[in-house]
Amino acid sequence: GENVEQHPSTLSVQEGDSAVIKCTYSDSASNYFPWYKQELGKRPQLIIDIRSNVGEKKDQRIAVTLNKTAKHFSLHITETQPEDSAVYFCAAGGGADGLTFGKGTHLIIQP
Amino acid sequence: DAGVIQSPRHEVTEMGQEVTLRCKPISGHDYLFWYRQTMMRGLELLIYFNNNVPIDDSGMPEDRFSAKMPNASFSTLKIQPSEPRDSAVYFCASSLVAGGDEQFFGPGTRLTVL
Repeated sequence: GENVEQHPSTLSVQEGDSAVIKCTYSDSASNYFPWYKQELGKRPQLIIDIRSNVGEKKDQRIAVTLNKTAKHFSLHITETQPEDSAVYFCAAGGGADGLTFGKGTHLIIQP
Repeated sequence: DAGVIQSPRHEVTEMGQEVTLRCKPISGHDYLFWYRQTMMRGLELLIYFNNNVPIDDSGMPEDRFSAKMPNASFSTLKIQPSEPRDSAVYFCASSLVAGGDEQFFGPGTRLTVL
C-alpha cells in the first residue's frame, strides 16, 4: 500500500517569513495530493490540492509543487501570519484505496 | 447541506463499557471513512465503505472494533469492550470518490476511556 512520509514534524518561523513542508510517497499509481489544515480542537480541512498532471498550483499565499519522478510534493506558505499556526497534513491517493495521510507538521508562527 | 455530522462530540466511559459512535455523511457521497487520531500515531484510517459496503477494514485495530453502514445516511463505529488505549479523537469523513477527491471531515468524537 501507499506510504507517506512528512517532514518536519515541527516548524517554527517568524511572522512574515515563508514556510515549507515536504512529503514523499511510495506508490507511483497515486495521482491526487491534498493538503489539510487542522486548527487546535477542530477538524482537518482541505486548503489546496494538486493532481499528477500538474507540477505546481497556487492559491494566494499558498502553493503546492509536485515532482512525480522523485515522488515528492511540498507545501509553500509565504508571508506567514499568526492564523497560519496549525497542524498541516499531506496525503496521497487516487486509486480505490482512499487517502494515506502523513503524520503532520505543527507550524508555529512566532510574532 | 450541513456537512458530515457526528455524535456524540464527547464521550467519557469506563474501561469495559461498550461505546457507539455515529456518523451521517454528506448526502450523495458514496464513500465514508472512519479515522482515529492520536498524538503518537497521527491520523489512522480504520475502515471505509463504498455504497454502504465495507471495502477495507485492515486498519481496524482488533476484534473489539466493528463498523456498520445500514444505509447511505448512517454509519456506526462500535468498541466493545473499550480500553484506556482507545482514548482518541475519532473522525468520520465522506467523499464522492475513494482516493481521488476531497474528503470532508466531521467535527470528530473525543473519546476518553477511564
